[in-house]
Amino acid sequence: DGGITQSPKYLFRKEGQNVTLSCEQNLNHDAMYWYRQDPGQGLRLIYYSQIVNDFQKGDIAEGYSVSREKKESFPLTVTSAQKNPTAFYLCASSEGAGEAFFGQGTRLTVV
Amino acid sequence: DQQVKQNSPSLSVQEGRISILNCDYTNSMFDYFLWYKKYPAEGPTFLISISSIKDKNEDGRFTVFLNKSAKHLSLHIVPSQPGDSAVYFCAASPGGTSYGKLTFGQGTILTVHP
Repeated sequence: DGGITQSPKYLFRKEGQNVTLSCEQNLNHDAMYWYRQDPGQGLRLIYYSQIVNDFQKGDIAEGYSVSREKKESFPLTVTSAQKNPTAFYLCASSEGAGEAFFGQGTRLTVV
Repeated sequence: DQQVKQNSPSLSVQEGRISILNCDYTNSMFDYFLWYKKYPAEGPTFLISISSIKDKNEDGRFTVFLNKSAKHLSLHIVPSQPGDSAVYFCAASPGGTSYGKLTFGQGTILTVHP
């Protein structure tokens, strides 16, 4: 089945630690995106990549980093510089003039 | 600066009736509009979209209307079913090479009562 796989589904982080969220797609899409959802709010764009080895900051990139070494993979690292990392993180991909497809999300909690 | 707004946090309708969800936007550069349905702890699922060159798009029970002059779009669900109960997000994109670069509204919780 084609789709987007995010792992893990739940992630706990201690304060001061970096954590990396995985996102893999087998849809052969060029573009990939990371969004964050907080309770009662819409999704906000963190980073996006339109092609391998290239990525741009979204609206709330501070405290996050990404890489795009392969077309299929777009991991997101939540660094210790992110002051409020507890949130639901969603990865998406799209191709051309088509809608974005989303993964099932990773819930990150700082403990 | 909320560029996409869904002013109704929730909507409750009876099964079989029409559900109308509304969305307003401020950025004239938006060229492509979408509606997503989302359940808690899951990713959004695409429902329907509309390009700025159209004013209506229909897919089964779902119809999206776009009023560019008013910068307003709406999603009509007819007839509403209990399985439609979810959070609905409207989203806007600048199109071009950035169709997936979406700006989302805050969402509207739809509850359809049997």
